[in-house]
Amino acid sequence: GAVVSQHPSRVICKSGTSVKIECRSLDFQATTMFWYRQFPKKSLMLMATSNEGSKATYEQGVEKDKFLINHASLTLSTLTVTSAHPEDSSFYICSARLAGGFQETQYFGPGTRLLVL
Amino acid sequence: RKEVEQDPGPFNVPEGATVAFNCTYSNSASQSFFWYRQDCRKEPKLLMSVYSSGNEDGRFTAQLNRASQYISLLIRDSKLSDSATYLCVVTRGGADGLTFGKGTHLIIQP
Repeated sequence: GAVVSQHPSRVICKSGTSVKIECRSLDFQATTMFWYRQFPKKSLMLMATSNEGSKATYEQGVEKDKFLINHASLTLSTLTVTSAHPEDSSFYICSARLAGGFQETQYFGPGTRLLVL
Repeated sequence: RKEVEQDPGPFNVPEGATVAFNCTYSNSASQSFFWYRQDCRKEPKLLMSVYSSGNEDGRFTAQLNRASQYISLLIRDSKLSDSATYLCVVTRGGADGLTFGKGTHLIIQP
């Protein structure tokens, strides 16, 4: 199946710093990638849709200036959490859409655990 | 009302039993439906897509009722390795992201 990687897998940072998370599709090209966030015992929530070569589309309530998304190539999207605060601590997961077929499937990266102290 | 609702469980069932999960969704514009499983502290993995005609994959059977906006998953002859959280997922399709239910936690006991 399609493989999606994320880096780093885990990060601990001080409040006020910025953290960049990379999402790569390893064996396919992804024109669309998605960023999700999951708080403990909660469901995954879509944060934004990242399209290669264009601006990301953010879900309601997600601050675009705080969560910067760049989709520079067909295999790479990055999420930068700017000026991170403890309430940003969460499990961030990306997915890449495998287009075609009757139902389009999203393949998930292994996720990045962010802890902001 | 939540977009995708699931009974959070936990469901504790003995190995070999049959277990069924249900899910309802509120957005009638939803076009594609899936069941994912998520193990503790891991990313979700696609278990199966759900089609209107119903579909089966080994011990797993999924059903979709568009009129009632209801999705089900049946697991037969449950194994210890089936212990996980099962996520009901819908999307409007195309370039849209996925909408997840909170998940149903399943524990298979030996």
